Amino acid sequence: AQSVSQHNHHVILSEAASLELGCNYSYGGTVNLFWYVQYPGQHLQLLLKYFSGDPLVKGIKGFEAEFIKSKFSFNLRKPSVQWSDTAEYFCAVISSGTYKYIFGTGTRLKVLA
Amino acid sequence: SAVISQKPSRDICQRGTSLTIQCQVDSQVTMMFWYRQQPGQSLTLIATANQGSEATYESGFVIDKFPISRPNLTFSTLTVSNMSPEDSSIYLCSVGTSGSSGNEQFFGPGTRLTVL
Repeated sequence: AQSVSQHNHHVILSEAASLELGCNYSYGGTVNLFWYVQYPGQHLQLLLKYFSGDPLVKGIKGFEAEFIKSKFSFNLRKPSVQWSDTAEYFCAVISSGTYKYIFGTGTRLKVLA
Repeated sequence: SAVISQKPSRDICQRGTSLTIQCQVDSQVTMMFWYRQQPGQSLTLIATANQGSEATYESGFVIDKFPISRPNLTFSTLTVSNMSPEDSSIYLCSVGTSGSSGNEQFFGPGTRLTVL
């Protein structure tokens, strides 16, 4: 069965630290990949997505993610986090040709001011 | 993209009662989805609701507990029946769209349900 793993469940960083959140999926075919963010008390928002082409994808608020097909990974990065990045981050995968998302368990990020 | 609204945005309900959540989309879409997000957890797909057919439920979810209606291409409802405190969650609807690059879903703002 397809699955998505987010290895870091809780991350605590100081402002200006660099961030990398891991996401690995298990599916051998073509996939579309997504990172969503959920700020405290707010709804799910799309950070970035990968469909094809350049494996380095840039999203909103300075986030980027790199798709490494050989590693089945789509890690999220930000060079310098801010207090306002405190949120929960979800990785999601869709198998090409379908609409059904498989979500990771989420990573709760806390940025200390 | 699609703009999705949900009603109610939140509710507090008594055990044993039922709540119907509405999901309205600003454009016609074929595929709609209902998710549950329990406290501190990720999103779990409840069912896929395509207009003109019965909803397809995921393992662990049944129609008697979560009946879904999909009367047209812009609207769907999810009912949480005979509620218990374990049903306290955020319930989200989403729509599936197909672009030239690939498929993705757009999510509504969610309905925060607390069952006492």
